[in-house]
Amino acid sequence: QVQLVESGGGVVQPGGSLRLSCAASGFNFGSYDMHWVRQAPGKGLEWVAFIRYDGSKKYYGDSVKGRFTISRDNSKNMQYLHMNSLRAEDTAVYYCVRLKGYYFDHWGQGALVTVSS
Amino acid sequence: QTVVTQEPSFSVSPGGTVTLTCGLSSGSVSTSYFPSWYQQTPGQPPRTLISYTDTRSSGVPDRFSGSILGNKAALTITGAQAGDEADYYCVLYMGSGIWVFGGGTKLTVL
Repeated sequence: QVQLVESGGGVVQPGGSLRLSCAASGFNFGSYDMHWVRQAPGKGLEWVAFIRYDGSKKYYGDSVKGRFTISRDNSKNMQYLHMNSLRAEDTAVYYCVRLKGYYFDHWGQGALVTVSS
Repeated sequence: QTVVTQEPSFSVSPGGTVTLTCGLSSGSVSTSYFPSWYQQTPGQPPRTLISYTDTRSSGVPDRFSGSILGNKAALTITGAQAGDEADYYCVLYMGSGIWVFGGGTKLTVL
């Protein structure tokens, strides 16, 4: 079955960096576009970033553009989110999400990132 | 910047019917936005309910249906049950690789 497992979350100081990883299994990872979606505590879902199946295209939400970088390694069935210049408002659960066509069909359990001094 | 709008909260009686909507701050929602709907209960990741406006995901009861109503996407729940109490999110594809979530609707069944 499809599994998406995030890791790399934790506490980081404002201005710091962190890399989230997502291990995919149970499907042909290299054939699917992937996303990161986040949810701040007590708040709604926010789309963060998208990467094409082959890594050729990457898109970002306005709130993270220029600070976050999405990447993937199809040989390892992994996707990543490199987060720089972190702010308090980046505190959230970050979900690794698979795109099927034009909708999100599988979600990971999420990784909590806390930005605090 | 385009904002996707949802009712912040809604209440429905057990067995009742409720329609949640998903609109745009400017313009109308059409099938070209590929609206999809997600249900989230506390502490859990979202669960996919509806894709492509009106296609139910596997395992989703037919009490849940999607449509376009007027200038908005809509999620209708008929015969509401206590287990339907959750947050519901829509998301629209804006083109150019950009997706935007609505703010979510907190549904109470009482």
